[in-house]
Amino acid sequence: AQSVTQLGSHVSVSEGALVLLRCNYSSSVPPYLFWYVQYPNQGLQLLLKYTTGATLVKGINGFEAEFKKSETSFHLTKPSAHMSDAAEYFCAVLYSSASKIIFGSGTRLSIRP
Amino acid sequence: NAGVMQNPRHLVRRRGQEARLRCSPMKGHSHVYWYRQLPEEGLKFMVYLQKENIIDESGMPKERFSAEFPKEGPSILRIQQVVRGDSAAYFCASSPSGMPNTGELFFGEGSRLTVL
Repeated sequence: AQSVTQLGSHVSVSEGALVLLRCNYSSSVPPYLFWYVQYPNQGLQLLLKYTTGATLVKGINGFEAEFKKSETSFHLTKPSAHMSDAAEYFCAVLYSSASKIIFGSGTRLSIRP
Repeated sequence: NAGVMQNPRHLVRRRGQEARLRCSPMKGHSHVYWYRQLPEEGLKFMVYLQKENIIDESGMPKERFSAEFPKEGPSILRIQQVVRGDSAAYFCASSPSGMPNTGELFFGEGSRLTVL
């Protein structure tokens, strides 16, 4: 079955440290890939997406993600965490034959002062 | 505000009552998706609608749940005879065209249903 897996339901980093949130998908055919962010009591907001072309994708708020076909991964990174980055992050996939985006279970990012 | 509008933001119902959640998509968007988020879980797809048509309802529970997106007015997610397990945040999202053409969803702020 087509799915997306986020490793680690909760990640905590210090302010200024590297942020790395992991995402793997299950498909031999590369899907469209997304990262969304959800702040408390709000809806989801698109951070970045990969469809075709350059495998390193830059998004808002200094985040970026790299599509690695050989690893079926789309990990999200940010060089230096800020307190305002504390939120829940969802990796999502859209397969070309599908009519809907499938979301991972989410990773809650906490930032330590 | 040209974003996706959901109402009510919070809804409290007693077991056995009906819940109606409304969603107005972004201007110019004719595709609506409903997702459910249970506490401490990710978003689960429920249903995908275009105007007057249900395109994909593979995530909808077989009983008590229904959705519509009429020619005029908002999309409505209806839950009949609610049970405590229906307590969740229900998110609506819209897109200007169907998947996979655009690949991006625009989300509302959600409707949080609490069943007592």
